[in-house]
Amino acid sequence: ETGVTQTPRHLVMGMTNKKSLKCEQHLGHNAMYWYKQSAKKPLELMFVYNFKEQTENNSVPSRFSPECPNSSHLFLHLHTLQPEDSALYLCASSQDMKGPREQYFGPGTRLTVT
Amino acid sequence: AQTVTQSQPEMSVQEAETVTLSCTYDTSESDYYLFWYKQPPSRQMILVIRQEAYKQQNATENRFSVNFQKAAKSFSLKISDSQLGDAAMYFCAYRGDGDDKIIFGKGTRLHILP
Repeated sequence: ETGVTQTPRHLVMGMTNKKSLKCEQHLGHNAMYWYKQSAKKPLELMFVYNFKEQTENNSVPSRFSPECPNSSHLFLHLHTLQPEDSALYLCASSQDMKGPREQYFGPGTRLTVT
Repeated sequence: AQTVTQSQPEMSVQEAETVTLSCTYDTSESDYYLFWYKQPPSRQMILVIRQEAYKQQNATENRFSVNFQKAAKSFSLKISDSQLGDAAMYFCAYRGDGDDKIIFGKGTRLHILP
């Protein structure tokens, strides 16, 4: 285990549903990230939060809405998704200090949009 | 813009043999960090090894070692005495010093043949 947990692990939702993904890190890190991982595609960075402030939005559609209430928790609110949004959504965290700041990943949420 | 290239989508190696995974990157920065991450099937992505660009000595972690050639912008991963548990997708990644985000390659899927 890496100290980063994600719930739920699997989610099936219809295109009109609203759901949320949750990420929690127990490492004392200050930076958190959302990635999308699709088959045969590289990891796509979606959002970056540093000390609860969003510092990166990688041109993500507004049907994905992140929320970072504190440095330990990160949410991804989903609404009116499309089938092409089906993917593995990974959360990661890192220390916000000078240095390598390697990221620690959660197990991911496997999302299927029907 | 920085890029990371892994030219081998898939590789296979006999158990107990040695295998080398290739990675090249492009950057104009002088200070940066390089990583290899491992993602086993249906399991969490974990950090395998890390290299600071300012260090000439190649990083080593047990059976995993890197060949870091800064001038050539090459960062290969060598796995010695391959084990069945090494079967995974391996991602090469780059972070510029001071950057929030890590840039990942497309990955190399490694199969271990018993």
